[in-house]
Amino acid sequence: DAKTTQPTSMDCAEGRAANLPCNHSTISGNEYVYWYRQIHSQGPQYIIHGLKNNETNEMASLIITEDRKSSTLILPHATLRDTAVYYCIVRASSGGSNYKLTFGKGTLLTVNP
Amino acid sequence: GAVVSQHPSWVICKSGTSVKIECRSLDFQATTMFWYRQFPKQSLMLMATSNEGSKATYEQGVEKDKFLINHASLTLSTLTVTSAHPEDSSFYICSAPNGQTNTEAFFGQGTRLTVV
Repeated sequence: DAKTTQPTSMDCAEGRAANLPCNHSTISGNEYVYWYRQIHSQGPQYIIHGLKNNETNEMASLIITEDRKSSTLILPHATLRDTAVYYCIVRASSGGSNYKLTFGKGTLLTVNP
Repeated sequence: GAVVSQHPSWVICKSGTSVKIECRSLDFQATTMFWYRQFPKQSLMLMATSNEGSKATYEQGVEKDKFLINHASLTLSTLTVTSAHPEDSSFYICSAPNGQTNTEAFFGQGTRLTVV
């Protein structure tokens, strides 16, 4: 799986949009960009994933650059409960039997009141 | 939606004893589950892949005789930390892929193990 680079930490004001960047310059054509987050002392939670088109769901939006070398996770209206470590992971989508994830250090997002 | 449940949420044990952690998929079947370990202020590290009806696959550097994994049914995998020592104190997390979509993984809430 391709390596990803994320900032160590970010701050965001409550109610504002949080934009979390991720670089994945060595991504290959069959690899997807996944985002998970981990709230303190809990297991990770899936947020969103995409291949090349921008994606949106009830939790967030994912913007992938045209060359696919970077992406941005957007939380449109951050709340205090969004404070967590956010992981950007690149992996080839395959069958469930091979669904292991390689976690980097992620970005600690702190949402401030 | 699909849920993965771990038990116990936390456990304290004495050095030299064994501890069993259970991971259950509550409303779906999981032929494969994954066990991770997370030390304080570090990221998750994959320990092993648990395969229903066959032997687990361990990542390099993980002692298979110390971390026993059993996946006897399609909804239950167990991790037993044998002869636990203080350095085994960690946050253990299991996951199972969404078998319907194969797009995301569901994670348990984790088990905090403290060996004294």
